[in-house]
Amino acid sequence: DQQVKQNSPSLSVQEGRISILNCDYTNSMFDYFLWYKKYPAEGPTFLISISSIKDKNEDGRFTVFLNKSAKHLSLHIVPSQPGDSAVYFCAASEEGGGFKTIFGAGTRLFVKA
Amino acid sequence: DTGVSQDPRHKITKRGQNVTFRCDPISEHNRLYWYRQTLGQGPEFLTYFQNEAQLEKSRLLSDRFSAERPKGSFSTLEIQRTEQGDSAMYLCASSHRQGASAGELFFGEGSRLTVL
Repeated sequence: DQQVKQNSPSLSVQEGRISILNCDYTNSMFDYFLWYKKYPAEGPTFLISISSIKDKNEDGRFTVFLNKSAKHLSLHIVPSQPGDSAVYFCAASEEGGGFKTIFGAGTRLFVKA
Repeated sequence: DTGVSQDPRHKITKRGQNVTFRCDPISEHNRLYWYRQTLGQGPEFLTYFQNEAQLEKSRLLSDRFSAERPKGSFSTLEIQRTEQGDSAMYLCASSHRQGASAGELFFGEGSRLTVL
């Protein structure tokens, strides 16, 4: 039972354009959502998060949008840079985060120069 | 302290052998997690400690898997009688209990297990 789904295994974007990564979830008890970025041979690193009481959170070039009624969130990267090429994991948890964070399968982003 | 460290980074073993992985979390973090990641998948939750207490272990994959955090600092994950299906990356993460980054997990670089 995949509670967090990333249906696009990969995405290719031109440098300078917007990258949009999507994520759907099924558990209505999730109240905290996160995006992690992973380079090869490294562990995932935290990128940005959003609480269920918000619908948008922005940090520099990265913005996460949450649509609770659709159980959908997205990560926007603008402008995209070649260094953004990595695997991006969507994650969700109950009780404000941390405990038993559930991850999606990831989307591999390629940003072409 | 620069982050979560895991040892060994790579382990190759024969089927039926026991293996143990160690994780040293960020020193001020009281929560510690173990995850498993297989190719093409996201990290899969295994177990979780708050200080030395193991508060969730139902997701440990079988009774061959066990984890400890004896003094609330470092943790070990042991797999007994390894099987080829145990081949994966084993990730450790730690986090604060409270504060602005309470929900954020800080991951180590992982321990890759190959069972022949």
